[in-house]
Amino acid sequence: GAVVSQHPSWVICKSGTSVKIECRSLDFQATTMFWYRQFPKQSLMLMATSNEGSKATYEQGVEKDKFLINHASLTLSTLTVTSAHPEDSSFYICSASGDITYEQYFGPGTRLTVT
Amino acid sequence: GNSVTQMEGPVTLSEEAFLTINCTYTATGYPSLFWYVQYPGEGLQLLLKATKADDKGSNKGFEATYRKETTSFHLEKGSVQVSDSAVYFCALSDLEGGANNLFFGTGTRLTVIP
Repeated sequence: GAVVSQHPSWVICKSGTSVKIECRSLDFQATTMFWYRQFPKQSLMLMATSNEGSKATYEQGVEKDKFLINHASLTLSTLTVTSAHPEDSSFYICSASGDITYEQYFGPGTRLTVT
Repeated sequence: GNSVTQMEGPVTLSEEAFLTINCTYTATGYPSLFWYVQYPGEGLQLLLKATKADDKGSNKGFEATYRKETTSFHLEKGSVQVSDSAVYFCALSDLEGGANNLFFGTGTRLTVIP
């Protein structure tokens, strides 16, 4: 149980375009979802936290107008990178939490390359 | 602030060798500590955790003890297997007993050769 999927697993886009990444909890209801970004050989950095039906809470330094997060249902959250630039190239990981122990269940990640 | 410093890899061991991956932390308050494992092509999975000083987390032969005096949470396994090859992340949470607001180390890639 507690499976989280991400789609796509890998995406290449041109500079200036937008790309959407989906995160789904497959077998549980996720009241909270988290989005992380990971640079090579660096830690996972929390970008934002979203609760179903509410606006996401962004970490300091994360541009909310650039990284649009929608958590419209208890099983789906999306991250849209708008007007992507090469510096947005990274590995994006989502996680979901739904029970009282607050354990986070992680998706496999999405590698974004902006050319 | 909160941060985790983790031993850099990659680490390559022969099967049945002893494993230690060092992890130290800086935190305000009383954090919970975690080890996550990421197998190839999969998401991070919780391997073990400890929520207070002197607690020992254990799972699948792995152990880690929450040492407040040395601010450490080193991961150990007495005899590794090829199937243990993965990336291991040390993390802390500043929500007591919970897993919100996770702060991760950089990850250590372990490769076990037959």
